[in-house]
Amino acid sequence: EPEVTQTPSHQVTQMGQEVILRCVPISNHLYFYWYRQILGQKVEFLVSFYNNEISEKSEIFDDQFSVERPDGSNFTLKIRSTKLEDSAMYFCASSARQGDTQYFGPGTRLTVL
Amino acid sequence: AQSVTQLDSQVPVFEEAPVELRCNYSSSVSVYLFWYVQYPNQGLQLLLKYLSGSTLVKGINGFEAEFNKSQTSFHLRKPSVHISDTAEYFCAVSKSGGYQKVTFGTGTKLQVIP
Repeated sequence: EPEVTQTPSHQVTQMGQEVILRCVPISNHLYFYWYRQILGQKVEFLVSFYNNEISEKSEIFDDQFSVERPDGSNFTLKIRSTKLEDSAMYFCASSARQGDTQYFGPGTRLTVL
Repeated sequence: AQSVTQLDSQVPVFEEAPVELRCNYSSSVSVYLFWYVQYPNQGLQLLLKYLSGSTLVKGINGFEAEFNKSQTSFHLRKPSVHISDTAEYFCAVSKSGGYQKVTFGTGTKLQVIP
């Protein structure tokens, strides 16, 4: 069964450093999403992406964040200058069509020291 | 905007007993409703979803949920739980008819006691 994959599974970085979280969505999907889950809190929407542009973003997704689909398979989330409060589990998701079920990856745990 | 309330943060239940995990939502427009499960150190897996039609929805692993529009609820049920059902369960909502984001509840930890 096709699945969303994410790398790395765990990323440790120093405050102020840039990180790139990588996702490979399901191959025929067209809509891509990032969510995050701070430890002990609920999963929060960050951004959705379609046709090479952001279609919706939350107030969390400020100028420090960016997303890109650099090739036909990867979907990345970049945090330019990490803060302690960026420590969280980041989930990528994809769906085939607008209105379709979103399938989630296993997540990348980001720890900012 | 849509929101979801899961009042029970933890639910302990004995193995083979029935369980109900409660979920209430708030929205001014029609919605889709979901239940996701998160096993320890894993990602989110879709258990079931309500898009339209029959209000009783059956999902994987023997779970089912009933959409109740008048009560704005979407409670998750299983008649007999197993140890392997120990996980965190998230109720979620999105706007119907072509949605973008999914809004999650705070989750309910189901602890199955042998």
